[in-house]
Amino acid sequence: AQKITQTQPGMFVQEKEAVTLDCTYDTSDQSYGLFWYKQPSSGEMIFLIYQGSYDEQNATEGRYSLNFQKARKSANLVISASQLGDSAMYFCAMREWDSSYKLIFGSGTRLLVRP
Amino acid sequence: GAGVSQTPSNKVTEKGKYVELRCDPISGHTALYWYRQSLGQGPEFLIYFQGTGAADDSGLPNDRFFAVRPEGSVSTLKIQRTERGDSAVYLCASSTGLAGSNEQFFGPGTRLTVL
Repeated sequence: AQKITQTQPGMFVQEKEAVTLDCTYDTSDQSYGLFWYKQPSSGEMIFLIYQGSYDEQNATEGRYSLNFQKARKSANLVISASQLGDSAMYFCAMREWDSSYKLIFGSGTRLLVRP
Repeated sequence: GAGVSQTPSNKVTEKGKYVELRCDPISGHTALYWYRQSLGQGPEFLIYFQGTGAADDSGLPNDRFFAVRPEGSVSTLKIQRTERGDSAVYLCASSTGLAGSNEQFFGPGTRLTVL
């Protein structure tokens, strides 16, 4: 079974609008962390935001926020006030603290911001 | 400060040849990870080092793949008898190894092409 599922292969958003990128996960661990990374066309992976399974508040980092719904096992990324530079691939990833240090990535969502 | 560096940035080789890919982590980071990213997919875990030892090599696809980190800093991923299916971007990441969110910092990757 897929551990991380990103069901949107591609998304469009108008500049200055908000967009939500979906991510659902599957784990039996009680302790885990969820990450979002951005990968521009240049190829580097850029860390955006982190949410721990025990964190009660949704994580926020500038224009990025994570809509964490633990019971539904979803960790959607919300980007507010989209900018042209936000056009990139976005990957959701999970780390299961009880079992491993590795990151398990989803297949990604390509976001294109329209001017 | 300097980020994670990887050399070479591109490597083209012929089927059956041996290749070495190098990763230089952020200074002081004790944890080092190798991932492989095939076209259109998210990165897949290969191996994780804590210090000099491989703490988890469960992602190595077969015994043609081997990685070392002899002094706990630079790591080399070695691929013997390369196959066309090995073509991918090989990403290296490092982290402090301390508890917490433990963000992994990624290098720019090595694009391996096996002809």
